[in-house]
This record gives sequence, structure tokens and C-alpha cells, in this order.
Amino acid sequence: DIQMTQSPSSVSASVGDRVTITCRASQRINNWLAWFQQKPGKAPNLLIYAASTLQSGVPSRFSGSGSGTDFTLTISSLRPEDFATYYCQQANTFPLAFGGGTKVEI
Amino acid sequence: EVQLLESGGGLVQPGGSLRLSCVASGFTFSSYAMTWVRQAPGKGLEWVSSISGSTYYADSVKGRFTISRDNSKNTLYLQMNSLRAEDTAVYYCAKDRAPQSTLITYYGGEDFWGQGTLVTVSS
Repeated sequence: DIQMTQSPSSVSASVGDRVTITCRASQRINNWLAWFQQKPGKAPNLLIYAASTLQSGVPSRFSGSGSGTDFTLTISSLRPEDFATYYCQQANTFPLAFGGGTKVEI
Repeated sequence: EVQLLESGGGLVQPGGSLRLSCVASGFTFSSYAMTWVRQAPGKGLEWVSSISGSTYYADSVKGRFTISRDNSKNTLYLQMNSLRAEDTAVYYCAKDRAPQSTLITYYGGEDFWGQGTLVTVSS
């Protein structure tokens, strides 16, 4: 089974900061990687799929990159509404797997 | 407008059973793979099961949970048997982001999620 490792597990940042979250797969997943944002008490929200494709309606300050085993989610300029927990997910093969999450805190 | 509405959660004793339902609307339900994801209190997301042309399960639920769908009712199900305390979580149903094709039956990156239903396993 493929394991997904996210880092850091939490990050303290300020409005306007650039934030980078990394996700590493235990084996190659090509570009079958998605990023989700989750706020407390809410369902996850899809941000990026296929490693770098921005989901419709998601602000352009979010971007994704990477292929193979190493991937990155970048928020170019943090806004107040971006304080949340972020998860990566591999969909290359079943069983699907999420990373452990990265909490972006003020 | 795509909507997913889960129901069926509640309090159940260890060893008991529950059936979760997820009623879908606003898209051609039969064309999309569907997934259940759970989140234990204060924990991260955990993939549970998916259904496309085939069914898939996490090791933690294999043999105890069964995913199914009724395309005539636009409804996804999760039958949960032999429940354990560690199954306590909010359970979400989610829709795959693209319709299945002959080449790709699951794309990943679920674009619509239900509001979640809480399952509590406790005596």
C-alpha cells in the first residue's frame, strides 16, 4: 500500500506570507495527487487535482506541483480565510490514502 | 446543483451494525464512482471504501463493511457490521471528480462531499 507523508504537520504564518506544504508518496504515483482544504466542522474542499490542476472556483493563490513521489502545495499570499488544515491524497492505486494533514495557524 | 445528503449515523454498541445512506442529486449518479471517507474526532481523513465498477476497502474495514449503490434511487450505502470503538467517526460520502471511462474508473480528488454523519460506537 502507498503511504503519504505530509510535512510540516503544522505551520504558523501571517496574512500575506507564502506557505509551502510538501507531500511524499512511498512509491511513484505519477501525478495522481489531490489537495484538499478542511475547516473545523466542515467537509473537505478540493483545491487541486492531478498534482497541479486548480479546481474550478479555487483562487489562483493556490498552486500545486510535483510528480512521481514528491509534491508541493503553495499558497502564494496567505489570506485570513486560508487558515485551515490541508490534506494530500493519492489516487494512483487502491487503497487510496490521505496524508496526515498540515494545520496552517496564525 | 450537486448535493450529497448522508443519513443513518448514530450511537451503536460494540459489535452492532449500522447502514449509512447518501442520497445524491444534481448529477448523473450512475456515471460516477463514489467514496466513503471518515474522520475520527480530532484526527485526519481516512479513506474507507470506494465503488466504481468494482468495490475497494481499507484494510481496517475489510470483511466488516460493505459498500453498494442503487442507481435507480441515486443512493450510495455503507453497511457497517461488527462495529468497534475505533470506527467512531464522522462519515462523509464523496463524488469522484470525473465520470468513469473505459480506461479510468477512478480519478481521485473528490469534488463534492456530503455534510457528514456521526457514528459513535460505545457501550
